[in-house]
Amino acid sequence: GESVGLHLPTLSVQEGDNSIINCAYSNSASDYFIWYKQESGKGPQFIIDIRSNMDKRQGQRVTVLLNKTVKHLSLQIAATQPGDSAVYFCAENIWSTLTFGKGTMLLVSP
Amino acid sequence: EAGVAQSPRYKIIEKRQSVAFWCNPISGHATLYWYQQILGQGPKLLIQFQNNGVVDDSQLPKDRFSAERLKGVDSTLKIQPAKLEDSAVYLCASSLSRTNTEAFFGQGTRLTVV
Repeated sequence: GESVGLHLPTLSVQEGDNSIINCAYSNSASDYFIWYKQESGKGPQFIIDIRSNMDKRQGQRVTVLLNKTVKHLSLQIAATQPGDSAVYFCAENIWSTLTFGKGTMLLVSP
Repeated sequence: EAGVAQSPRYKIIEKRQSVAFWCNPISGHATLYWYQQILGQGPKLLIQFQNNGVVDDSQLPKDRFSAERLKGVDSTLKIQPAKLEDSAVYLCASSLSRTNTEAFFGQGTRLTVV
């Protein structure tokens, strides 16, 4: 399928490396943040979320860090696998409305 | 659990024609969203329904776009007349409620306006 990754920032890693994808948000009123993964030709898939009153949350192989002082969010993927190759979006929730960022393409080579 | 179903998968129309997209959310999900995703960008919310009521349509170009969810289950999004800049993927998503953080997305309808 046609890629949605054109003109996106790209992170290229080797299989087994740890990946860190960053996101800056704009609205300090956001009450939670979500990371989505979007593979080519598919809709976004929920990965992990974090409430604004937290600074770290861990899932399976993923960790999200939130720094409200500088309005920065990061997604860390441990032991990156080829199946992790996709476009990753952060989204902020304000009053039950999600606003998506521009996305980062992650390319994992074997 | 069945996911969010959307149809058609692809659509090509000429400018000034009309088009409609259909979405069937996950059973029991009260909240339904329509997003527009232009190539290389993140999804942009067009409209949000809670059951059969609209809770946010502030970014819907109402002169040409309309959406309905009459029985609070499936939904249709219509564009009439279409413009070249409407070429995008139209994504439908649903969640249990407005306060539930996990929204499930369908595969989308890729619209090309020529």
